[in-house]
Amino acid sequence: AQRVTQPEKLLSVFKGAPVELKCNYSYSGSPELFWYVQYSRQRLQLLLRHISRESIKGFTADLNKGETSFHLKKPFAQEEDSAMYYCALSRGGGFKTIFGAGTRLFVKA
Amino acid sequence: SAVISQKPSRDICQRGTSLTIQCQVDSQVTMMFWYRQQPGQSLTLIATANQGSEATYESGFVIDKFPISRPNLTFSTLTVSNMSPEDSSIYLCSVSGARTTGELFFGEGSRLTVL
Repeated sequence: AQRVTQPEKLLSVFKGAPVELKCNYSYSGSPELFWYVQYSRQRLQLLLRHISRESIKGFTADLNKGETSFHLKKPFAQEEDSAMYYCALSRGGGFKTIFGAGTRLFVKA
Repeated sequence: SAVISQKPSRDICQRGTSLTIQCQVDSQVTMMFWYRQQPGQSLTLIATANQGSEATYESGFVIDKFPISRPNLTFSTLTVSNMSPEDSSIYLCSVSGARTTGELFFGEGSRLTVL
């Protein structure tokens, strides 16, 4: 069965500190992995996808098939990064997407 | 990208009543989805709204409770029937982006409170 696990409900770091939001998945095929972000009073939006291998707002995420992980990282957290982050898995091509429980990141000044 | 409008944005409902949520997209899309986000929980897929045919429901969700319409490629409705306090949630409409990316775009959600 497809499953996305985000073990941390809340992550609090100081501004300028590195941050890593963990995500593990369970899927028998070749999934597409995403990170979505929801800032306060805004709608849920895509942050980045594994297939693009891009850095968005300083965040990167590498798909590790051996460990079935897709952790989100940023070397220097900023206060504006405070938000709710969801890891998500899709079979791609518009197929249904399932979401992890989410991690609330709080960056302290 | 796609711009999605949902109505109502919020509502307070009485137990036993039904409410219909509308989702309008600014462009034609093939895949539309309805999610539920219960308080403090993640998003759970309710169903895929199919144009011209019955919606495809996920395990634990049934058509009698959550009837869905999809009359065309830009519009869908979700009805929450015979509501109880356990139905208090945010209901989200989402659409799939380009078939090659799998990205989802979301509406702002409809926050329902059932008394």
